[in-house]
Amino acid sequence: QVKLVQSGAEVKEPGASVKVSCKASGFTFTHYGFNWVRQAPGQGLEWMGWISAYNGHTNYAAKLQGRVTVTTDASTNTAHIEVRSLTSDDTAVYFCARDRVGVNPMKDFDYWGQGTLVTVSS
Amino acid sequence: DIVMTQSPDSVAVSLGERATINCRSSQNILSSSSGKNYLAWYRQKPGQPPELLIYWASTRQSGVPDRFSGSGSGTDFALTISSLQPEDVAVYYCQQAYTTPLTFGGGTRVEIK
Repeated sequence: QVKLVQSGAEVKEPGASVKVSCKASGFTFTHYGFNWVRQAPGQGLEWMGWISAYNGHTNYAAKLQGRVTVTTDASTNTAHIEVRSLTSDDTAVYFCARDRVGVNPMKDFDYWGQGTLVTVSS
Repeated sequence: DIVMTQSPDSVAVSLGERATINCRSSQNILSSSSGKNYLAWYRQKPGQPPELLIYWASTRQSGVPDRFSGSGSGTDFALTISSLQPEDVAVYYCQQAYTTPLTFGGGTRVEIK
């Protein structure tokens, strides 16, 4: 069955970087794109960016451009997101989510990871 | 960016009764080329990731119970739960899938009266 399993919780100091991973199984990894969505405590959902596992093309939310990088590793069926120059505003649960239709990316998401809590605190 | 506005912020409904959530987009999300409204609905239970209920405004995702239905076109949309069940206690989000950045509504909390 389709699974997206994310790495564990992280605590970082302001100004540091964090890298969260999302390991996929149960489907052909390179046929899909992967989105990253975050949710601050008690808040709504914010789309951060997307990557095609087929060709590595990316698309980022403008407000995060330059501070976020999404990558994939087809040898391990894993997607990653790195966020740099962390501030307290980056404290959130980070989710990876698969495009529902691989050939029509960045639309809606049919499978989600369990979420990774990133806490930024001194 | 397209702004998605949901109403109400919260709603309390008796078990077995109907719940309706509204969602408005700040611009048209009906594609003239495909004829599809790029609007999705998700349910997020406490402590869990969101789960896809509806896409293209009215198409139920595989495995989603038929008590969930979506309607609307252009800029105004609705999600209806025809007969509320205990497992439907959650926060519901709409999301426009028309253009990047993809954006979500602020969420509507559904509770049992």
